[in-house]
Amino acid sequence: AQSVTQLDSQVPVFEEAPVELRCNYSSSVSVYLFWYVQYPNQGLQLLLKYLSGSTLVKGINGFEAEFNKSQTSFHLRKPSVHISDTAEYFCAVWGLTGGGNKLTFGTGTQLKVEL
Amino acid sequence: DAGITQSPRHKVTETGTPVTLRCHQTENHRYMYWYRQDPGHGLRLIHYSYGVKDTDKGEVSDGYSVSRSKTEDFLLTLESATSSQTSVYFCAISGTPGGGTDTQYFGPGTRLTVL
Repeated sequence: AQSVTQLDSQVPVFEEAPVELRCNYSSSVSVYLFWYVQYPNQGLQLLLKYLSGSTLVKGINGFEAEFNKSQTSFHLRKPSVHISDTAEYFCAVWGLTGGGNKLTFGTGTQLKVEL
Repeated sequence: DAGITQSPRHKVTETGTPVTLRCHQTENHRYMYWYRQDPGHGLRLIHYSYGVKDTDKGEVSDGYSVSRSKTEDFLLTLESATSSQTSVYFCAISGTPGGGTDTQYFGPGTRLTVL
C-alpha cells in the first residue's frame, strides 16, 4: 500500500515571499510523484511530475519540486509567490504495485497569498 | 485543456433517491475515473474503468455503481443517495494502459447535495 502525507493543511504567505509545501510519501516500491493545483470551483490541473531522472523537477507557473528518496519527500517550492497562486495544492503518488493506473492523493494544502 | 465535461454541475436531491452523474470525454482516453473530494480527505477514488465495460472498485466504492458502454462516457450512479454522499465529484481520464507515466486530466466537478 502507499500513502501521502501533507502535514500543512494551510500555509499563509505574503506576496513575493518564498514558499514550500511539504509532501511525504510511503511506499515499498518505486513511485511516480505528482503535484496538482486546484483553483476555487475548478478541477485539478497538473503542476509537475517526477517519473525518473533529475530529482529537481520544474513545473508550470514557476513552481519546482525536489524528489528525495532517502527522506521519501517531494516538497513543492516557489521562490516568489503571487496573489494568483492562492489555491489548494495536492501531492499524489502512483506506485508500481500493480492494480492499474491509480493515484493516491494527500489531503491537500491550502496556500493563501496575502498582500 | 483535455475535453472533459461533467453533468450536471450542481445537483440537490433527497435521501433515498437515485442519482446519476455523467462524465463525457472527447479525447478517446482509455482510462476513466470517478473521485469524490471531501474536506480533510483530499480526493478518494470511487471506481475506475480501463476500457468499455471494464470497471473496478476504488477505495470508497460502497453505495456507488458505474457503467461504461462506450469510450467517451462514464456514468456514476448512487442507487439510493444518503447524506454521507454529499460531496464534490470529479471525473478524470488518462490515456495509456498501465504505467505511472500517464497524467490524469480532471473535469470541472459536480457538486452534489443530499438533503
